[in-house]
Amino acid sequence: GAVVSQHPSRVICKSGTSVKIECRSLDFQATTMFWYRQFPKQSLMLMATSNEGSKATYEQGVEKDKFLINHASLTLSTLTVTSAHPEDSSFYICSARRSSRTGYEQYFGPGTRLTVT
Amino acid sequence: GIQVEQSPPDLILQEGANSTLRCNFSDSVNNLQWFHQNPWGQLINLFYIPSGTKQNGRLSATTVATERYSLLYISSSQTTDSGVYFCAANNAGNMLTFGGGTRLMVKP
Repeated sequence: GAVVSQHPSRVICKSGTSVKIECRSLDFQATTMFWYRQFPKQSLMLMATSNEGSKATYEQGVEKDKFLINHASLTLSTLTVTSAHPEDSSFYICSARRSSRTGYEQYFGPGTRLTVT
Repeated sequence: GIQVEQSPPDLILQEGANSTLRCNFSDSVNNLQWFHQNPWGQLINLFYIPSGTKQNGRLSATTVATERYSLLYISSSQTTDSGVYFCAANNAGNMLTFGGGTRLMVKP
């Protein structure tokens, strides 16, 4: 159990276009999902917390108008990179939080590698 | 927020060797997890261990919450163990904060 999928796994787009990434929890419901970004040879940096039915909470320095997050259901969150630029090229990873009797555990999707040309 | 530091940053082992990876955190934690990121970028959950000791095959982990550290033990390492190991923790907040990772290479 606790599988998280992400689509697409890899995308190449032209500068100025928008890209949508989907994150799904396949076998559990997730009221809270998270979006991370990872640059080569670096750790994961949290971009935003996505809450089902409400607005996302963005980390400092992350532009909410550029990275649009929608969490319309308990199993789906989407991240849209609007007007993408080459500096947005990165590895984007989503995570879904699952509750258990011992607390909360996060499970991660396989990531989406975005290249903006 | 909580700070998470990992050591060593890089580690090279000969196949069959044992190793210990360390994770220090700056505050009390509600959640602490260890992950292995494979070469394709997928994060694999290894342990959910805010306190105590757990074992899974050749891997085991211990968290001493009162002293604010966690250890990941890898025994009889194999080449497939190569990759980056991350420790991540949170306290009052919802989100996990990641350490810088330990990049492990196991040579045949």
